[in-house]
Amino acid sequence: QSALTQPPSASGSPGQSVTISCTGTSSDVGGYNYVSWYQQHPGKAPKLMIYEVTKRPSGVPDRFSGSKSGNTASLTVSGLQAEDEADYYCSSFVGSGNRFGGGTKLTVL
Amino acid sequence: EVHLVESGGGLVHPGGSLRLSCAASGFTFSSYWMSWVRQAPGKGLEWVANIKQDGSQKNYVDSVKGRFTISRDNAKNSLYLQMNSLRAEDTAVYYCARDWPGHSAYDSWGQGTLVTVSS
Repeated sequence: QSALTQPPSASGSPGQSVTISCTGTSSDVGGYNYVSWYQQHPGKAPKLMIYEVTKRPSGVPDRFSGSKSGNTASLTVSGLQAEDEADYYCSSFVGSGNRFGGGTKLTVL
Repeated sequence: EVHLVESGGGLVHPGGSLRLSCAASGFTFSSYWMSWVRQAPGKGLEWVANIKQDGSQKNYVDSVKGRFTISRDNAKNSLYLQMNSLRAEDTAVYYCARDWPGHSAYDSWGQGTLVTVSS
């Protein structure tokens, strides 16, 4: 039950785009279209940003988008803003529950 | 508005027990799967356990099987996590999370309760 693999850090300047990857296996990311992404600011609870690979919950800006190819899912944040600086976690359905990635710290330069 | 409030965390010695609670409001609690997700200090998120609407199905991450028990009381709109034989590696903030039906995602989270296992 290893965690999904995410880069520990990512960064971009305001207005730029940044993409965070999430690599799993055919038993998780590659096997289901149930990849979700969560944003977590320091000391706060996670917030759902993307579900079912590409869908955004109501209220999430369309600057956030998701995709998947094979066993790797990706989160792209376009038009970076200062408030986007946070930790981001991917998650995949694995049959009985969900498996999370190790998290990526996004820094807005 | 959906509201989830965890309680019951604290300091416990290795081998000890603790029971976490999550009080739910603002939605029909009995209609949702519910989960516990934890986060060790400075680390990532880890799904711990989930429970079906009527409590008839429960799932656990391997590392807590046989030690933790998830339960719920729909009459009290409450979710519980009984934690026994606690280990240092169980130290974490424990979040209660609502499973979004049909989407395999957690659409609402509590603020978390800290469990520290230390001698």
